[in-house]
Amino acid sequence: DAGITQSPRHKVTETGTPVTLRCHQTENHRYMYWYRQDPGHGLRLIHYSYGVKDTDKGEVSDGYSVSRSKTEDFLLTLESATSSQTSVYFCAISPGGGTYEQYFGPGTRLTVT
Amino acid sequence: GENVEQHPSTLSVQEGDSAVIKCTYSDSASNYFPWYKQELGKRPQLIIDIRSNVGEKKDQRIAVTLNKTAKHFSLHITETQPEDSAVYFCFITYNFNKFYFGSGTKLNVKP
Repeated sequence: DAGITQSPRHKVTETGTPVTLRCHQTENHRYMYWYRQDPGHGLRLIHYSYGVKDTDKGEVSDGYSVSRSKTEDFLLTLESATSSQTSVYFCAISPGGGTYEQYFGPGTRLTVT
Repeated sequence: GENVEQHPSTLSVQEGDSAVIKCTYSDSASNYFPWYKQELGKRPQLIIDIRSNVGEKKDQRIAVTLNKTAKHFSLHITETQPEDSAVYFCFITYNFNKFYFGSGTKLNVKP
């Protein structure tokens, strides 16, 4: 597996609380992504980053924000968690520069009660 | 999603048989076509990919074929084994700023 970690791996939180998930890579890859995976929906892109401080929205970005202040870290924030955001969240990285294969982190299981 | 359609959603085969999964996309400008495998409780992993300048690529028992005219690409697994049981996803990117996974195919290989 590529050098990519996610923290926390599991989290249970209450509706209305803020939550931040962290993705850390040691591969110096340019692109980083946040996906959510739900039964019946496969993997859906939330946000992605194509460089430090360069981010863009994905298919399901409402209710989420991201930040990337350095190459190795990509943070996903749920400002006010809702039950519909209960999901498994995967971070992924890819080198860019004409190379597009994605390498995934181990995932974070988030439950919003 | 609607930008890429994957079929079938489930596939059950006998060990040793072949399995084929197909994805159809909408943007003819797409030029990178990978397949990912996700075992139960694990992360997705790239198993094979193809670029638009070739029509087929093989790696041992798996292959990917591309029909750019018809805008579809397929994953072929021959001589299936129980360890091939997993969920398989295709992936498409549009202008490298839109990224979509197919909805997934759950493959069950019966011993």
